[in-house]
Amino acid sequence: ETGVTQTPRHLVMGMTNKKSLKCEQHLGHNAMYWYKQSAKKPLELMFVYSLEERVENNSVPSRFSPECPNSSHLFLHLHTLQPEDSALYLCASSQERDQRGYYEQYFGPGTRLTVT
Amino acid sequence: KNQVEQSPQSLIILEGKNCTLQCNYTVSPFSNLRWYKQDTGRGPVSLTIMTFSENTKSNGRYTATLDADTKQSSLHITASQLSDSASYICVVSALYDYKLSFGAGTTVTVRA
Repeated sequence: ETGVTQTPRHLVMGMTNKKSLKCEQHLGHNAMYWYKQSAKKPLELMFVYSLEERVENNSVPSRFSPECPNSSHLFLHLHTLQPEDSALYLCASSQERDQRGYYEQYFGPGTRLTVT
Repeated sequence: KNQVEQSPQSLIILEGKNCTLQCNYTVSPFSNLRWYKQDTGRGPVSLTIMTFSENTKSNGRYTATLDADTKQSSLHITASQLSDSASYICVVSALYDYKLSFGAGTTVTVRA
């Protein structure tokens, strides 16, 4: 277990639905990330929160709305999604920097999202 | 633009055999390179991490090599087991940058 949990693990939603993905980290980290993973493609960084402040919004459509109420929790609110948004959504966490200057990211198990 | 290219895209090997995965990158300035293993339906889990000064790192039956001059890395799996069936992702980070550059992964299937 990596210490990063995500719920739900699977989600099927229609294009007019509103749903939320939840991520929780138990590692004492202060940065959290949302990634999108589509088949046969590299992970795409969507959002980054550092010390509960959004520091990255990687040209993500407004139908994806992140929320970080504290350093342990991260949400991704979804509304009016498109079929091409179907993917595995991964959450990760890290310290901002360790003594070696690394940003070791620990990933959750992901939410498999299917938009119908 | 920082890029990471992996080859092959997929491979099938018989249980007990060895295989080698390749990773080429253009990330600069280089900080470190990681190999992750991702089982189907799960998140990536780190196998090895190497800095500029390290040219080999082992984790059980997994051995990673790094040639920082040619910007190439390989992951060698020895005596493969059915549980090695997964996607292996090469991830490179630039110095003091939280953004990681991901390869598309190599899908390894181990058959009995």
